[in-house]
Amino acid sequence: DGGITQSPKYLFRKEGQNVTLSCEQNLNHDAMYWYRQDPGQGLRLIYYSQIVNDFQKGDIAEGYSVSREKKESFPLTVTSAQKNPTAFYLCASTKVGRSVGTGELFFGEGSRLTVL
Amino acid sequence: GNSVTQMEGPVTLSEEAFLTINCTYTATGYPSLFWYVQYPGEGLQLLLKATKADDKGSNKGFEATYRKETTSFHLEKGSVQVSDSAVYFCALSEAGNNDMRFGAGTRLTVKP
Repeated sequence: DGGITQSPKYLFRKEGQNVTLSCEQNLNHDAMYWYRQDPGQGLRLIYYSQIVNDFQKGDIAEGYSVSREKKESFPLTVTSAQKNPTAFYLCASTKVGRSVGTGELFFGEGSRLTVL
Repeated sequence: GNSVTQMEGPVTLSEEAFLTINCTYTATGYPSLFWYVQYPGEGLQLLLKATKADDKGSNKGFEATYRKETTSFHLEKGSVQVSDSAVYFCALSEAGNNDMRFGAGTRLTVKP
């Protein structure tokens, strides 16, 4: 079945370490997104990518980095520069096009990162 | 910029009670509006959507009507079930923007 797969589901990190969260989709979607979810704050956009080899910063990109070398994959690296990385991270994707530019987002099941 | 404001929770209801979760938005153009639901430990799932004014989105007994005059998209259900316990997010997206703005989420707990 088509969908979005995030891994790992749970991740623990020591302060000062970089970690990479994986996001893979087989929906043939063009656009992919990373959101951060904190209690009571809803979802905040970290980065998004509309095509391969191109991505844009969202509202809270500082301390994060991404790459989009393949259409199916959009990994997120949480660097040591991120001051408060403990959160639930959600990856999403959607088709891009004039008629579906406002199409719904499809979400993965999320990755919970805890900094020890 | 575009934004979404939804009522704060948590909301606790008894089974078969009527549910309303308020959502209002601010947008420069003509956005599409969405309600997403998040069950514990999972990602978000689309619950319903409306793409233009006066459209009504509906799914699983939930409804929301796109009201341009009041810039609102309130979620309603006539009779909630325990299985409806989740966090509900209102969201908007505009054509050409390819970004979706979410409200803070409203946690609903339904007790038997």
